[in-house]
Amino acid sequence: NAGVMQNPRHLVRRRGQEARLRCSPMKGHSHVYWYRQLPEEGLKFMVYLQKENIIDESGMPKERFSAEFPKEGPSILRIQQVVRGDSAAYFCASSPPLAGGSHEQFFGPGTRLTVL
Amino acid sequence: DQQVKQNSPSLSVQEGRISILNCDYTNSMFDYFLWYKKYPAEGPTFLISISSIKDKNEDGRFTVFLNKSAKHLSLHIVPSQPGDSAVYFCAARGAGGTSYGKLTFGQGTILTVHP
Repeated sequence: NAGVMQNPRHLVRRRGQEARLRCSPMKGHSHVYWYRQLPEEGLKFMVYLQKENIIDESGMPKERFSAEFPKEGPSILRIQQVVRGDSAAYFCASSPPLAGGSHEQFFGPGTRLTVL
Repeated sequence: DQQVKQNSPSLSVQEGRISILNCDYTNSMFDYFLWYKKYPAEGPTFLISISSIKDKNEDGRFTVFLNKSAKHLSLHIVPSQPGDSAVYFCAARGAGGTSYGKLTFGQGTILTVHP
């Protein structure tokens, strides 16, 4: 059973370009979460999605950032017009439905975004 | 506002001894507390968790203690092994409303276990 997959593992963009980060959850997991880790800091929640629904986007910057989890395919975190401050490690996590009593989130290896 | 805090940036322990990592929280609206271990350039790996209605959970060398009145939890690793050297994150899961399901992380503690 493959774990959470993220690609690319490393992404370099110039200021003003777009960054697209992909996440495939574990098999059977319908909930996806995105977190960002800035240098020397802990992970900060960004957005929580289920298939075709954004459940909580309270941690997402209001501009330039968007996320989706379509019916088919991976979840996508999109950053438009990147700036140097967007340089960070972006982690995706997945979990089974919360109502089943499960509470662990399983993390992917992360995408390290560098903005030049 | 930092709702989950790990006040020790680093901890150094001799192999075979006990490692104790600490975490404090300021919000009571959490239903689970989790510990993750992270190596450089990898994602966090789930270690152990505890429900907010429990005060202890044990899994092999790892034990987590929860003191609700003090809003404090700790992770005990005994005996410590060099392979335990990593960054340890404490996380709290939102219990309801708009926070349900999301994890709030502490800043992490770097554990070094010396042979």
